[in-house]
Amino acid sequence: QKEVEQDPGPLSVPEGAIVSLNCTYSNSAFQYFMWYRQYSRKGPELLMYTYSSGNKEDGRFTAQVDKSSKYISLFIRDSQPSDSATYLCAMVPNFGNEKLTFGTGTRLTIIP
Amino acid sequence: DGGITQSPKYLFRKEGQNVTLSCEQNLNHDAMYWYRQDPGQGLRLIYYSQIVNDFQKGDIAEGYSVSREKKESFPLTVTSAQKNPTVFYLCASRNLGPLGAGNTIYFGEGSWLTVV
Repeated sequence: QKEVEQDPGPLSVPEGAIVSLNCTYSNSAFQYFMWYRQYSRKGPELLMYTYSSGNKEDGRFTAQVDKSSKYISLFIRDSQPSDSATYLCAMVPNFGNEKLTFGTGTRLTIIP
Repeated sequence: DGGITQSPKYLFRKEGQNVTLSCEQNLNHDAMYWYRQDPGQGLRLIYYSQIVNDFQKGDIAEGYSVSREKKESFPLTVTSAQKNPTVFYLCASRNLGPLGAGNTIYFGEGSWLTVV
């Protein structure tokens, strides 16, 4: 079993819809969680980070963490065609640990 | 502009040849990383370095070598490249210390290696 599981998709939704992307993890030591967005044939870029249970909002994006269930989510409101990309979750046990563990990524397409 | 530069973007090599991928950063970051990204497997860590002249193996180091002679440079050599589907290699860097808004991992644009 992988430490981090992420549905690879692909996921296609109409423009304006709310998108929910999810990751589950098995290592309870993970404390710091990130979401990266990766456009086709490009390197990933950090979208959001959080280290506490609950919600964190940034514009149209909301990151949610439920440590008791070992489950994290990224919500995208009012989705736009420019949101079409692969979204990767990543997590690390503590601030000093060098190795991030990544999910496999979910490929998202927003249909105009 | 500050960032991470990987070169070349696309590279073709014959099976059995060594090939070196370049990674340069002007962010003054302490740590640098090499990842390999394959479909359905996410990012897998090959090697990382926290300081000049020192580096550590990641999860899939076999068949690769690195050097860190300068803080801004972390080249990756694929030794005796094996024929397989095109592979996407990503270089990354960060400052050491607690991760947070001002400190996270930044990625380069990637290099595509095809072995024929």
